[in-house]
Amino acid sequence: RKEVEQDPGPFNVPEGATVAFNCTYSNSASQSFFWYRQDCRKEPKLLMSVYSSGNEDGRFTAQLNRASQYISLLIRDSKLSDSATYLCVVSQGGGKLIFGQGTELSVKP
Amino acid sequence: DTGVSQDPRHKITKRGQNVTFRCDPISEHNRLYWYRQTLGQGPEFLTYFQNEAQLEKSRLLSDRFSAERPKGSFSTLEIQRTEQGDSAMYLCASSSRRDQLGTEGEKLFFGSGTQLSVL
Repeated sequence: RKEVEQDPGPFNVPEGATVAFNCTYSNSASQSFFWYRQDCRKEPKLLMSVYSSGNEDGRFTAQLNRASQYISLLIRDSKLSDSATYLCVVSQGGGKLIFGQGTELSVKP
Repeated sequence: DTGVSQDPRHKITKRGQNVTFRCDPISEHNRLYWYRQTLGQGPEFLTYFQNEAQLEKSRLLSDRFSAERPKGSFSTLEIQRTEQGDSAMYLCASSSRRDQLGTEGEKLFFGSGTQLSVL
C-alpha cells in the first residue's frame, strides 16, 4: 500500500464548478499535511497547509480527518487557471515529506 | 534570482555512464531535499540533508545513487552506471526551520529540476 494515495483523475470540470479531491495516508503517526500545486512541466509549489480544524483560503478549503487518515481539498467556483495537478503531501516528522501521485484537474470554458 | 537553482536543466546520457547534478538551495535554508519524479507520478523522496548531515536516504535508492552536501550549502547527486529506468526529473528543494508550518512540516521551495534521459 502506498503511503499517500490520491485519485489520479483527470477531473474535467466546467468553469464555475465545485470540485473535491481526496487523499488517504497510511501512517497514523503522520504529523503535518499539505496540498501542493504543480503546473505542467513546472516544479511543485505549496498551495496550503491542512489543519485539524479545517482551513480556508479564498475559494480553497482543506479538511483533515485524523481518525480516518483522510485529507480533502475543495475548490469552489473553478477558474481556468486552476488547471493543474494537485499533490497531497504528508510529513512523517523529522522533515521528511511524502507526496501522493497527484490528481490532475482540467477546467474547461 | 534567489530561488533554488539546479544544473543542468537537461541531461542526456548513454546507459552505463555516470552523471552528476548540482543544486544550490536558498542561501539561508538549512534543509535540502532530493526527489525524483516520473510522468504521471508525484515526487518520490530520495534523501535529505540538514546542514551537511544526510539524515535519511530512501530504501528505494540503490547503491548507484549518492548525494553529498559537503559544506552545508550546495548539494550534488551522482548516479553511477546509469540505467534506462533512471530516466526521470530530479527535483531539489530546500526549506528552513525558521519557516515552519504545523508541528514539524516545512514549506519546500523547489528548483526547476534536472530532466535526465538515459538512452
